[in-house]
Amino acid sequence: DQQVKQNSPSLSVQEGRISILNCDYTNSMFDYFLWYKKYPAEGPTFLISISSIKDKNEDGRFTVFLNKSAKHLSLHIVPSQPGDSAVYFCAASARHGGSQGNLIFGKGTKLSVKP
Amino acid sequence: DAGVIQSPRHEVTEMGQEVTLRCKPISGHNSLFWYRQTMMRGLELLIYFNNNVPIDDSGMPEDRFSAKMPNASFSTLKIQPSEPRDSAVYFCASSSGTGNSPLHFGNGTRLTVT
Repeated sequence: DQQVKQNSPSLSVQEGRISILNCDYTNSMFDYFLWYKKYPAEGPTFLISISSIKDKNEDGRFTVFLNKSAKHLSLHIVPSQPGDSAVYFCAASARHGGSQGNLIFGKGTKLSVKP
Repeated sequence: DAGVIQSPRHEVTEMGQEVTLRCKPISGHNSLFWYRQTMMRGLELLIYFNNNVPIDDSGMPEDRFSAKMPNASFSTLKIQPSEPRDSAVYFCASSSGTGNSPLHFGNGTRLTVT
């Protein structure tokens, strides 16, 4: 039973355009959400996060939107660059217990940004 | 900051052999996590430690898997005996343990059991 779902295994976007990566979750106890980026042969690296008390968080070209009623979040990359080509993982946790230990990951979306 | 260091990067072994994966977390981080990545199941948490103490090992698949953290700068994940279905990429990650601190991952160990 997948608690965090990334239904698009891959996405291809033209350089300079917007990339939108989507993520759905089922556990209403999740209150903290993160996006990680992974290049081949490397570990995932933290990109951006959002707490459930917010509906938007922005960091440069990256913006994460959270829709709690729909249990949906998305990552927007504007403008997309070829260096953004990677696998993007959505992750969620229920932090009110004080621990980030049980971080649940989606299966990832492979983004390809074409020059 | 050297990041999280995992060794070896690749391990090929035969079924039935013992495998030991190693991890050095970022200095000062007090939480350490072991994840496994497979095509079928994605990234799964196996076990995590806080201040060297195992907090949640519910993700450890079975008794063949064991993990230790003898001190703040070293952890091992051992599989004995190994089986072909254990083939995966194993990631170690650490964090400072405060509420909003993200995980910092190592580059993983790719394990192949033949």
